[in-house]
Amino acid sequence: DVKVTQSSRYLVKRTGEKVFLECVQDMDHENMFWYRQDPGLGLRLIYFSYDVKMKEKGDIPEGYSVSREKKERFSLILESASTNQTSMYLCASSFRLMGNQPQHFGDGTRLSIL
Amino acid sequence: QKEVEQNSGPLSVPEGAIASLNCTYSDRGSQSFFWYRQYSGKSPELIMSIYSNGDKEDGRFTAQLNKASQYVSLLIRDSQPSDSATYLCAVPGDTQGGSEKLVFGKGTKLTVNP
Repeated sequence: DVKVTQSSRYLVKRTGEKVFLECVQDMDHENMFWYRQDPGLGLRLIYFSYDVKMKEKGDIPEGYSVSREKKERFSLILESASTNQTSMYLCASSFRLMGNQPQHFGDGTRLSIL
Repeated sequence: QKEVEQNSGPLSVPEGAIASLNCTYSDRGSQSFFWYRQYSGKSPELIMSIYSNGDKEDGRFTAQLNKASQYVSLLIRDSQPSDSATYLCAVPGDTQGGSEKLVFGKGTKLTVNP
């Protein structure tokens, strides 16, 4: 079974802090994704990576950055946390092959910014 | 921009009934389709993939694909209270960095009443 592990299930931080969310997958997937999910807005893609050190902006990259130094690990960084970044953050991974590639999700991190 | 539309619900069915969830998509060239189940407060879990016209059955779940009409359905037979969740439809989206992203619908919330 695919295993995508997010470092924290719940996290509380303060406004202005630099926040790191970590994600590790064990299936040798090339692609890794970071989403946030808010009620009524669905899943929104923040960033994704298709290879080590490669990254692409998603639909809502402002206020975030990412790092992928190893194939299995993809980090999301909130440079200066703000209250509007309170959300559920979901990491996912998939193979890079074109077509027919579902994404597999981690358990999510519920982040609260106070 | 490729789009996926789902009725947000809520859809309420009695235990033992058939629940029917529908999804329409904008890109006529889409080749693969995925259904995810998301329990409240949890992350999406892949439950069905379908790639060709017709029906695909897996236990109590049947996915139906009609490419000419650009819709995909999920039928849940003998619905159980444990099926109560939000169901997300996903189709391949734009290609970026040589990789396909997925476009997710906002989900249909299903409640199965005992």
